[in-house]
Amino acid sequence: AQKVTQAQTEISVVEKEDVTLDCVYETRDTTYYLFWYKQPPSGELVFLIRRNSFDEQNEISGRYSWNFQKSTSSFNFTITASQVVDSAVYFCALSVPNFGNEKLTFGTGTRLTIIP
Amino acid sequence: DTEVTQTPKHLVMGMTNKKSLKCEQHMGHRAMYWYKQKAKKPPELMFVYSYEKLSINESVPSRFSPECPNSSLLNLHLHALQPEDSALYLCASSQDMDRGYGYTFGSGTRLTVV
Repeated sequence: AQKVTQAQTEISVVEKEDVTLDCVYETRDTTYYLFWYKQPPSGELVFLIRRNSFDEQNEISGRYSWNFQKSTSSFNFTITASQVVDSAVYFCALSVPNFGNEKLTFGTGTRLTIIP
Repeated sequence: DTEVTQTPKHLVMGMTNKKSLKCEQHMGHRAMYWYKQKAKKPPELMFVYSYEKLSINESVPSRFSPECPNSSLLNLHLHALQPEDSALYLCASSQDMDRGYGYTFGSGTRLTVV
């Protein structure tokens, strides 16, 4: 069975500070996919990034960066120079191929509040 | 078109009503999903359709009935719901199954059962 743990329930930082959201996953499969989604108050889940288990390269996209470490089963997300618009709930998720029954397993989410 | 469109955005229904939620995508995605999300909780998978056939039913009560009329449309028929069924219902699509494609989510239908 797959499991995703986001230990940080809520985080508040002052605008322009950097913030890291932690994600730890569990799976016995060697092929798997990791995702981050952002959910603003409007409710829509916005796709941020996808990473497969064979690609441990870190990625940077503007103010966002992701650190994937298989050795610690972690896929952490850092926002640099945070802005008020970054306030949202962020979900880390995991999927595993399963003969046409792939499912996306979500962590419990981290509510991020950026204080102006 | 890179969106998943859900209607209605808000719905209030009585416990004896019958209503339907609709979801539409025109990205050529072959997998479509219904998720239920309670306040301050992550989304929970309800149903998955792959190539217009129901492939996963997560033991959802029969008062929820999914339907996939064609590859672009997904419906969720609601009947005799309970107040605890009040939640945000999210539809999503992905290019295919088992390849780790990212899911595109709609903005959801906020359902209140009274």
